[in-house]
Amino acid sequence: AQRVTQPEKLLSVFKGAPVELKCNYSYSGSPELFWYVQYSRQRLQLLLRHISRESIKGFTADLNKGETSFHLKKPFAQEEDSAMYYCALSGALHFGGYNKLIFGAGTRLAVHP
Amino acid sequence: DSGVTQTPKHLITATGQRVTLRCSPRSGDLSVYWYQQSLDQGLQFLIQYYNGEERAKGNILERFSAQQFPDLHSELNLSSLELGDSALYFCASSVGAGAANYGYTFGSGTRLTVV
Repeated sequence: AQRVTQPEKLLSVFKGAPVELKCNYSYSGSPELFWYVQYSRQRLQLLLRHISRESIKGFTADLNKGETSFHLKKPFAQEEDSAMYYCALSGALHFGGYNKLIFGAGTRLAVHP
Repeated sequence: DSGVTQTPKHLITATGQRVTLRCSPRSGDLSVYWYQQSLDQGLQFLIQYYNGEERAKGNILERFSAQQFPDLHSELNLSSLELGDSALYFCASSVGAGAANYGYTFGSGTRLTVV
């Protein structure tokens, strides 16, 4: 079954510390993975797409097919990074041929001064 | 502004009532998705429409229904409301029938409070 697992509900760090938000997926095909960020229960904003290999606001994420992971990393956390982060998987197989985003449960990142 | 417009932003209503939430997708997007986000739960996928047709159904209650109109805007109808229906309801849109390489674009949500 297609599944996205974010094992941590809450990640609490101090400003300047490195951050790693974990995301593991289960998918038999070739996945497309995304990270979304939600500040204070506002709209979800696309943060990263693995296919574009970009870095946004200092965050990066590498797709590791061997470990089926797409962890989100930032070397030095800032207070404004405090938000809810959702990992999402898109795949064509088993969705009737149409890619549908499957979201993880989300991880709340709290960055303390 | 993401380009996905949701109205109203806030809604307070009594139990047993019926409400309609509206979503206009980003220009050019044919798919509309509805999600529910409660305080104690993550994003729950409700339903997807693509170019006027229902494409996928998630955990949508029978008291809830949706449709997508010829101009591609969508409405989510919630009836016989219960206290537990209080949540943020998000609409998202995408270009094609799925997320492809671009993911979804989300609206700002409608905050529904049932009292």
